[in-house]
Amino acid sequence: GEDVEQSLFLSVREGDSSVINCTYTDSSSTYLYWYKQEPGAGLQLLTYIFSNMDMKQDQRLTVLLNKKDKHLSLRIADTQTGDSAIYFCAEKGRDRDDKIIFGKGTRLHILP
Amino acid sequence: DVKVTQSSRYLVKRTGEKVFLECVQDMDHENMFWYRQDPGLGLRLIYFSYDVKMKEKGDIPEGYSVSREKKERFSLILESASTNQTSMYLCASSLGTTLNTEAFFGQGTRLTVV
Repeated sequence: GEDVEQSLFLSVREGDSSVINCTYTDSSSTYLYWYKQEPGAGLQLLTYIFSNMDMKQDQRLTVLLNKKDKHLSLRIADTQTGDSAIYFCAEKGRDRDDKIIFGKGTRLHILP
Repeated sequence: DVKVTQSSRYLVKRTGEKVFLECVQDMDHENMFWYRQDPGLGLRLIYFSYDVKMKEKGDIPEGYSVSREKKERFSLILESASTNQTSMYLCASSLGTTLNTEAFFGQGTRLTVV
């Protein structure tokens, strides 16, 4: 079945760049997402990329997609304490009833 | 402003009780979802619904049922709560479309079964 894998924990110094990686198995994935979950809250969509794109940039966020390797990454430039959260990678196929498949989440810890 | 509201932030129930978790969305979304979130296991889909009175099992439906009598409301039912159902429960909704669709999440209900 479909699967989305990501590492569970990442520790980064404040001001450095954070890179969170994700791999997925479903070759028919059409949309790939990054969600952010702050402590005590639900998930919020951070950014997404369509499968025919290689890169998307949005202020401090850069998403890179390698469709051949089924690898997605999220780069956060100039990481700040407010970026401390759990980041979920997710994918969805193109059909109406396709479920969104989530990874287990990567907890980003910011060091002072 | 889009909103998915879960009826409780925190619940404590006894083993064997019947538990109802309610979720309401005000965006006229077709799709609604119930997930549970456990440390190290991420989000696991329990049930989802793509229309009123329609439901489909997710990855871990055992011990749960759902009800969708109205488009805006999706209820998760624990028929006889057990301690292994202690978890954070997240409701989400999204448009039913082939186009890119963002899932909107509620704030979560932390359920403790004692």
